[in-house]
Amino acid sequence: RKEVEQDPGPFNVPEGATVAFNCTYSNSASQSFFWYRQDCRKEPKLLMSVYSSGNEDGRFTAQLNRASQYISLLIRDSKLSDSATYLCVVTAGGTSYGKLTFGQGTILTVHP
Amino acid sequence: NAGVTQTPKFRILKIGQSMTLQCTQDMNHNYMYWYRQDPGMGLKLIYYSVGAGITDKGEVPNGYNVSRSTTEDFPLRLELAAPSQTSVYFCASSAVRPRGEQFFGPGTRLTVL
Repeated sequence: RKEVEQDPGPFNVPEGATVAFNCTYSNSASQSFFWYRQDCRKEPKLLMSVYSSGNEDGRFTAQLNRASQYISLLIRDSKLSDSATYLCVVTAGGTSYGKLTFGQGTILTVHP
Repeated sequence: NAGVTQTPKFRILKIGQSMTLQCTQDMNHNYMYWYRQDPGMGLKLIYYSVGAGITDKGEVPNGYNVSRSTTEDFPLRLELAAPSQTSVYFCASSAVRPRGEQFFGPGTRLTVL
C-alpha cells in the first residue's frame, strides 16, 4: 500500500463548480498534513495546512479524519486559475520529523 | 530574499557522466531536502539535511551523494549518470521547527541519454 494515496483524476469541472479531493495515508503515526499546489512545470507551493478540527481559507476547506487516516480538500466556486495538480502531503512520525511524504497528485482542470 | 535557488535549470547528460546540482537558500533554514519527481508521480525524497555537516538518506538515495558544509548550500552529486536518473529535481528548505511548510526551488530538469 502506498504511504499517501490520492485519486489522480483528472478532474475537469466548469467555472463555479465545487470539487472535492480525497487522500488516504497509511502511517498512523503521521503528525502533520498539508495540501500543496503544483502548477505545470513549476515547483510545489503550500496551499494550506490541515488541522484536526478542519480549517478553511477562502474558497478552500481542508478536513482531517485521523481515525480513518483520511484527508480531504474542498474547493468552492472554482476559478480558471485553480487549474493545477494538488498534492496531499504528510509528515512522518517518530524521529523523521520534517520529512514529507507526497501523494502522486490530483490533476484539476477548470474550464470556462 | 531569493528563497531557494537551483542551478542549472536544464541539463542533458550522457550515460556515465557526472554532475552536481546546486541548491542555495537565503532564509537561514536548517532543514534542506532533495527530491526527484518522475512524470505523473509524486516527489520522492533522495537526501535530507538537518543542519550543516549532517545529512541522511531518504527514500531513493542510490546513485546520489550530498554534502552540507554551510547552512545555505546543499549540492546534490550524480555519479555515473544512468537513464533512470532522468527526472526533475527539486531542492527544498524549511525552518528548524517547521509547521511543515517547505519552500521549493524552481527545479532542475535532467535528461540522461
